[in-house]
Amino acid sequence: QVQLVESGGGVVQAGRSLRLSCAASGFTFRSFGMHWVRQAPGKGLEWVAVIWYDGNNKHYADSVKDRFTISRDNSKNTLDLQMNSLRADDTAVYYCARDGGDYGDYGVDYWGQGTLVTVSS
Amino acid sequence: SYEVTQALSVSVARGQTARITCGGHNIGSKNVHWYQQKPGQAPVLVIYRDNKRPSGIPERFSGSNSGNMATLTISRAQAGDEADYYCQVWDSSTVVFGGGTKLTFL
Repeated sequence: QVQLVESGGGVVQAGRSLRLSCAASGFTFRSFGMHWVRQAPGKGLEWVAVIWYDGNNKHYADSVKDRFTISRDNSKNTLDLQMNSLRADDTAVYYCARDGGDYGDYGVDYWGQGTLVTVSS
Repeated sequence: SYEVTQALSVSVARGQTARITCGGHNIGSKNVHWYQQKPGQAPVLVIYRDNKRPSGIPERFSGSNSGNMATLTISRAQAGDEADYYCQVWDSSTVVFGGGTKLTFL
């Protein structure tokens, strides 16, 4: 069965960096786009970034552009999110999620349980 | 940038039909996906491509999309349907989520 397991969350000071990872299993990783989606405490879902199949095509939300970098390793079935220059408003649960296929036409069909990032000022 | 609008909350009586809307300019020209999220849990895809149900989602969940409004319909609403519901579209290679609608029971 499809499994997505995030790691790397924790408490970090504003201005510092943190790297999140997501281990994927149960499907052919290289055949699916992958997302990071976050949710601030008590707030709604906010999309962060997507990376497609071979990793050469990536897109970011304006709120994280130039600070966050999404990457993938298809040989290890892992997805990463490098977060730099962290701010208090980056505090959220970060979800790793699989795109259902066809460049978004099938929704985001599997989600991890999330990892909490807390940015302290 | 494209925006989608959802009501903050919708109330329904058990056994009745709940309708949760997602408004956006000419949203009928886009594929709309819907997610259910219960407290402390990850979101679950309940409708994709406007009106398709993933495997395991009850037939009570249905969707429609036309003009400037997409709608998630939950028939014969049950206590277990109490959750936050989010619509989602794509705009210029980026994902847009609605603000979410909390479904509660009268």
